Amino acid sequence: DIQMTQSPSSVSASVGDRVTITCRASQDISSWLAWYQQKPGKAPEFLIYAASTLQPGVPSRFSGSGGRTDFTLTISSLQPEDFATYYCQQAKTFPWTFGQGTKVEIK
Amino acid sequence: QVQLVESGGGVVQPGGSLRLSCAASGFSFNSYGMHWVRQAPGKGLEWVAFIRLDGNDAYYADSVKGRFTISRDNSKNTLFLQMNSLTVEDTAVYYCARPYTHYDSYFDHWGQGTLVTVSS
Repeated sequence: DIQMTQSPSSVSASVGDRVTITCRASQDISSWLAWYQQKPGKAPEFLIYAASTLQPGVPSRFSGSGGRTDFTLTISSLQPEDFATYYCQQAKTFPWTFGQGTKVEIK
Repeated sequence: QVQLVESGGGVVQPGGSLRLSCAASGFSFNSYGMHWVRQAPGKGLEWVAFIRLDGNDAYYADSVKGRFTISRDNSKNTLFLQMNSLTVEDTAVYYCARPYTHYDSYFDHWGQGTLVTVSS
Protein backbone atom coordinates (compact mmCIF):
# COMPACT_ATOMS: atom_id res chain seq x y z
CA ASP A 1 0.00 0.00 0.00
CA ILE A 2 1.08 3.58 -0.63
CA GLN A 3 1.68 5.47 2.61
CA MET A 4 0.79 9.16 2.73
CA THR A 5 2.55 11.32 5.32
CA GLN A 6 1.45 14.87 6.06
CA SER A 7 3.33 17.53 7.93
CA PRO A 8 2.85 19.25 10.20
CA SER A 9 0.18 17.38 12.17
CA SER A 10 -1.12 20.71 13.36
CA VAL A 11 -0.40 24.36 12.74
CA SER A 12 -1.47 27.46 14.65
CA ALA A 13 -2.03 30.48 12.47
CA SER A 14 -3.79 33.82 12.41
CA VAL A 15 -6.30 35.22 9.97
CA GLY A 16 -4.37 36.55 6.99
CA ASP A 17 -1.43 34.19 7.41
CA ARG A 18 -0.06 32.05 4.64
CA VAL A 19 -0.27 28.36 5.53
CA THR A 20 1.53 25.52 3.81
CA ILE A 21 0.83 21.83 4.36
CA THR A 22 2.98 19.12 2.83
CA CYS A 23 2.12 15.59 1.84
CA ARG A 24 4.62 12.91 0.92
CA ALA A 25 3.82 9.64 -0.83
CA SER A 26 5.85 6.50 -0.19
CA GLN A 27 6.12 5.95 -3.95
CA ASP A 28 5.61 7.84 -7.19
CA ILE A 29 1.93 8.73 -7.66
CA SER A 30 2.48 11.17 -10.53
CA SER A 31 -0.22 13.83 -10.02
CA TRP A 32 -2.85 11.49 -8.62
CA LEU A 33 -3.45 13.46 -5.46
CA ALA A 34 -6.46 15.09 -3.86
CA TRP A 35 -6.96 17.43 -0.92
CA TYR A 36 -10.00 17.51 1.36
CA GLN A 37 -11.14 19.89 4.08
CA GLN A 38 -13.05 18.61 7.09
CA LYS A 39 -14.70 20.69 9.80
CA PRO A 40 -15.68 19.19 13.15
CA GLY A 41 -18.75 16.98 12.94
CA LYS A 42 -18.99 17.36 9.17
CA ALA A 43 -18.14 15.22 6.17
CA PRO A 44 -14.97 16.02 4.24
CA GLU A 45 -15.19 18.41 1.30
CA PHE A 46 -13.32 17.84 -1.96
CA LEU A 47 -11.01 20.78 -2.63
CA ILE A 48 -8.37 19.84 -5.17
CA TYR A 49 -7.65 16.94 -7.52
CA ALA A 50 -4.83 16.05 -9.88
CA ALA A 51 -2.55 17.77 -7.37
CA SER A 52 -3.40 21.30 -8.47
CA THR A 53 -6.89 21.54 -10.01
CA LEU A 54 -9.37 23.38 -7.81
CA GLN A 55 -12.92 22.15 -7.62
CA PRO A 56 -15.49 24.73 -8.78
CA GLY A 57 -16.42 27.03 -5.94
CA VAL A 58 -13.18 26.56 -4.00
CA PRO A 59 -11.69 29.99 -3.23
CA SER A 60 -8.60 30.93 -5.19
CA ARG A 61 -6.64 31.42 -1.97
CA PHE A 62 -6.29 27.63 -1.99
CA SER A 63 -3.67 26.15 -4.27
CA GLY A 64 -2.04 22.79 -4.74
CA SER A 65 1.29 21.91 -6.23
CA GLY A 66 3.80 19.14 -6.58
CA GLY A 67 4.11 15.77 -8.24
CA ARG A 68 5.56 12.27 -7.94
CA THR A 69 6.09 11.99 -4.18
CA ASP A 70 5.98 15.53 -2.81
CA PHE A 71 2.92 17.76 -2.71
CA THR A 72 1.84 20.99 -1.09
CA LEU A 73 -1.44 22.64 -0.16
CA THR A 74 -1.16 26.39 0.35
CA ILE A 75 -3.70 28.79 1.76
CA SER A 76 -2.45 32.20 0.74
CA SER A 77 -4.41 34.28 3.25
CA LEU A 78 -6.14 32.30 5.96
CA GLN A 79 -9.79 33.14 6.55
CA PRO A 80 -11.90 32.29 9.61
CA GLU A 81 -13.80 29.62 7.68
CA ASP A 82 -10.53 27.85 6.78
CA PHE A 83 -9.86 26.58 10.30
CA ALA A 84 -10.31 22.86 9.79
CA THR A 85 -8.44 19.60 9.25
CA TYR A 86 -6.96 18.94 5.83
CA TYR A 87 -6.28 15.51 4.34
CA CYS A 88 -4.34 14.47 1.28
CA GLN A 89 -5.29 11.29 -0.58
CA GLN A 90 -3.48 9.32 -3.25
CA ALA A 91 -5.71 8.32 -6.13
CA LYS A 92 -3.22 6.39 -8.24
CA THR A 93 -3.36 2.91 -6.83
CA PHE A 94 -5.87 0.75 -5.02
CA PRO A 95 -6.21 0.75 -2.05
CA TRP A 96 -6.68 4.48 -1.97
CA THR A 97 -5.04 5.96 1.10
CA PHE A 98 -5.16 9.20 3.05
CA GLY A 99 -2.65 11.18 5.00
CA GLN A 100 -3.19 11.41 8.75
CA GLY A 101 -4.49 14.95 8.54
CA THR A 102 -3.26 18.44 9.39
CA LYS A 103 -5.31 20.51 11.81
CA VAL A 104 -5.21 24.25 11.16
CA GLU A 105 -5.95 26.01 14.44
CA ILE A 106 -6.48 29.59 15.47
CA LYS A 107 -3.43 31.23 17.01
CA GLN B 1 -28.22 18.57 -6.23
CA VAL B 2 -26.35 15.45 -5.20
CA GLN B 3 -27.59 13.99 -1.94
CA LEU B 4 -26.29 10.95 -0.10
CA VAL B 5 -28.06 9.89 3.08
CA GLU B 6 -26.63 7.07 5.17
CA SER B 7 -28.61 5.06 7.68
CA GLY B 8 -28.37 1.85 9.67
CA GLY B 9 -25.69 2.74 12.17
CA GLY B 10 -25.98 1.93 15.86
CA VAL B 11 -24.49 0.02 18.74
CA VAL B 12 -23.58 -3.63 18.18
CA GLN B 13 -21.68 -6.18 20.23
CA PRO B 14 -18.32 -7.57 19.07
CA GLY B 15 -18.92 -10.40 16.63
CA GLY B 16 -22.25 -8.92 15.56
CA SER B 17 -23.51 -7.69 12.23
CA LEU B 18 -24.96 -4.49 10.85
CA ARG B 19 -26.16 -3.37 7.43
CA LEU B 20 -25.67 0.21 6.36
CA SER B 21 -27.62 1.89 3.58
CA CYS B 22 -26.95 5.00 1.54
CA ALA B 23 -29.84 6.56 -0.37
CA ALA B 24 -28.67 8.55 -3.37
CA SER B 25 -30.49 11.30 -5.25
CA GLY B 26 -29.80 14.21 -7.56
CA PHE B 27 -27.66 12.28 -10.03
CA SER B 28 -27.74 9.23 -12.22
CA PHE B 29 -26.83 6.63 -9.60
CA ASN B 30 -26.30 3.81 -12.10
CA SER B 31 -23.61 5.86 -13.89
CA TYR B 32 -21.23 5.96 -10.94
CA GLY B 33 -19.20 3.53 -8.90
CA MET B 34 -19.62 4.19 -5.19
CA HIS B 35 -17.43 4.10 -2.10
CA TRP B 36 -17.62 3.63 1.63
CA VAL B 37 -15.07 5.55 3.73
CA ARG B 38 -14.87 5.46 7.51
CA GLN B 39 -13.43 7.59 10.29
CA ALA B 40 -12.77 6.26 13.77
CA PRO B 41 -13.46 8.75 16.58
CA GLY B 42 -10.76 11.41 16.61
CA LYS B 43 -8.87 9.68 13.81
CA GLY B 44 -8.27 10.12 10.09
CA LEU B 45 -10.07 8.84 7.03
CA GLU B 46 -9.87 5.24 5.86
CA TRP B 47 -11.22 4.01 2.54
CA VAL B 48 -13.27 0.83 3.08
CA ALA B 49 -14.83 -0.43 -0.12
CA PHE B 50 -15.74 0.43 -3.72
CA ILE B 51 -18.29 -1.05 -6.09
CA ARG B 52 -18.44 -0.45 -9.83
CA LEU B 53 -21.49 1.14 -11.40
CA ASP B 54 -23.02 -2.17 -12.51
CA GLY B 55 -22.23 -3.93 -9.23
CA ASN B 56 -20.14 -6.57 -10.95
CA ASP B 57 -16.83 -5.72 -9.29
CA ALA B 58 -16.04 -4.75 -5.73
CA TYR B 59 -12.84 -3.86 -3.91
CA TYR B 60 -12.07 -3.87 -0.21
CA ALA B 61 -9.50 -2.62 2.24
CA ASP B 62 -7.52 -5.46 3.78
CA SER B 63 -8.90 -4.50 7.20
CA VAL B 64 -12.44 -5.48 6.17
CA LYS B 65 -11.93 -8.06 3.43
CA GLY B 66 -13.88 -11.22 4.08
CA ARG B 67 -16.09 -9.53 6.70
CA PHE B 68 -17.74 -6.65 4.82
CA THR B 69 -19.72 -6.80 1.58
CA ILE B 70 -20.57 -3.78 -0.53
CA SER B 71 -23.58 -4.01 -2.82
CA ARG B 72 -26.05 -1.78 -4.60
CA ASP B 73 -29.60 -1.70 -5.90
CA ASN B 74 -29.63 0.56 -8.93
CA SER B 75 -33.42 0.30 -9.21
CA LYS B 76 -33.69 1.92 -5.77
CA ASN B 77 -30.65 4.22 -6.01
CA THR B 78 -29.26 2.67 -2.86
CA LEU B 79 -25.82 1.54 -1.75
CA PHE B 80 -25.29 -1.00 1.02
CA LEU B 81 -22.54 -2.19 3.31
CA GLN B 82 -23.09 -5.50 5.08
CA MET B 83 -20.74 -5.71 8.04
CA ASN B 84 -20.18 -9.04 9.77
CA SER B 85 -17.84 -10.23 12.54
CA LEU B 86 -17.53 -6.69 13.83
CA THR B 87 -14.71 -5.76 16.19
CA VAL B 88 -14.12 -2.70 18.35
CA GLU B 89 -11.68 -1.48 15.67
CA ASP B 90 -14.65 -1.09 13.31
CA THR B 91 -16.13 1.64 15.49
CA ALA B 92 -16.33 4.69 13.24
CA VAL B 93 -18.49 7.09 11.31
CA TYR B 94 -19.18 5.48 7.96
CA TYR B 95 -19.59 7.74 4.94
CA CYS B 96 -20.79 6.82 1.51
CA ALA B 97 -19.06 8.83 -1.19
CA ARG B 98 -19.62 9.39 -4.88
CA PRO B 99 -16.53 9.62 -7.05
CA TYR B 100 -15.67 12.60 -9.18
CA THR B 101 -16.97 12.28 -12.72
CA HIS B 102 -14.65 10.07 -14.80
CA TYR B 103 -12.27 9.52 -11.88
CA ASP B 104 -13.35 6.71 -9.59
CA SER B 105 -10.54 7.35 -7.15
CA TYR B 106 -11.44 10.89 -6.06
CA PHE B 107 -14.26 11.34 -3.55
CA ASP B 108 -16.45 14.18 -4.78
CA HIS B 109 -19.66 14.06 -2.76
CA TRP B 110 -20.08 12.65 0.74
CA GLY B 111 -23.05 11.80 2.90
CA GLN B 112 -23.37 13.06 6.45
CA GLY B 113 -22.19 9.74 7.85
CA THR B 114 -23.68 7.14 10.18
CA LEU B 115 -22.02 6.12 13.44
CA VAL B 116 -21.27 2.48 14.14
CA THR B 117 -20.23 1.64 17.68
CA VAL B 118 -18.97 -1.84 18.46
CA SER B 119 -19.01 -2.37 22.19
CA SER B 120 -19.92 -4.98 24.73
